[in-house]
Amino acid sequence: KQEVTQIPAALSVPEGENLVLNCSFTDSAIYNLQWFRQDPGKGLTSLLLIQSSQREQTSGRLNASLDKSSGRSTLYIAASQPGDSATYLCAVRGTGGFKTIFGAGTRLFVKA
Amino acid sequence: GAGVSQSPSNKVTEKGKDVELRCDPISGHTALYWYRQRLGQGLEFLIYFQGNSAPDKSGLPSDRFSAERTGESVSTLTIQRTQQEDSAVYLCASSLENADTQYFGPGTRLTVL
Repeated sequence: KQEVTQIPAALSVPEGENLVLNCSFTDSAIYNLQWFRQDPGKGLTSLLLIQSSQREQTSGRLNASLDKSSGRSTLYIAASQPGDSATYLCAVRGTGGFKTIFGAGTRLFVKA
Repeated sequence: GAGVSQSPSNKVTEKGKDVELRCDPISGHTALYWYRQRLGQGLEFLIYFQGNSAPDKSGLPSDRFSAERTGESVSTLTIQRTQQEDSAVYLCASSLENADTQYFGPGTRLTVL
């Protein structure tokens, strides 16, 4: 059974700092991995999608890496801004079906 | 174009009543997902539809939960005989195909009194 864990559960950093959010999964047989942000009272916004054959994806100040063999993904946020404050969720889809398993998220607060 | 929409945005019901939640996917998206998010917790997968294929119902927590989708259009999630533990935000997402990026709706907040 796939389990997805995100560390840390919460993080508070000053504006401008570079930071790394971690996601680990127990079953390396994945189809893809996706990072989302969730703002209070709103739905999820997709940030980056990494297919199982890829090692990383980049979008603006965001970079996500994937290491299937070790069951890990990281989301790197460069030069953090107060607008980055949100909960970041990691989600894994396995190869055996369509179920997508989410981690509990990392709640990020960027102080101005 | 329009994103994924869900209705109602909020629903308060009494224990034992049935509720129906609606999801309108992005036009042309063949895949549709339902998730549940309890307060302070991550998302739980409920069900997946892909075109006219048989849905993946492996995440439905009990037989009180059911969902329907006709073709690539609207989907409804029905919860019968609601219980207090059903209180959660129910999120719907759609994608172009099963491997693509999921686009989420704003969710329906269900409160069972």
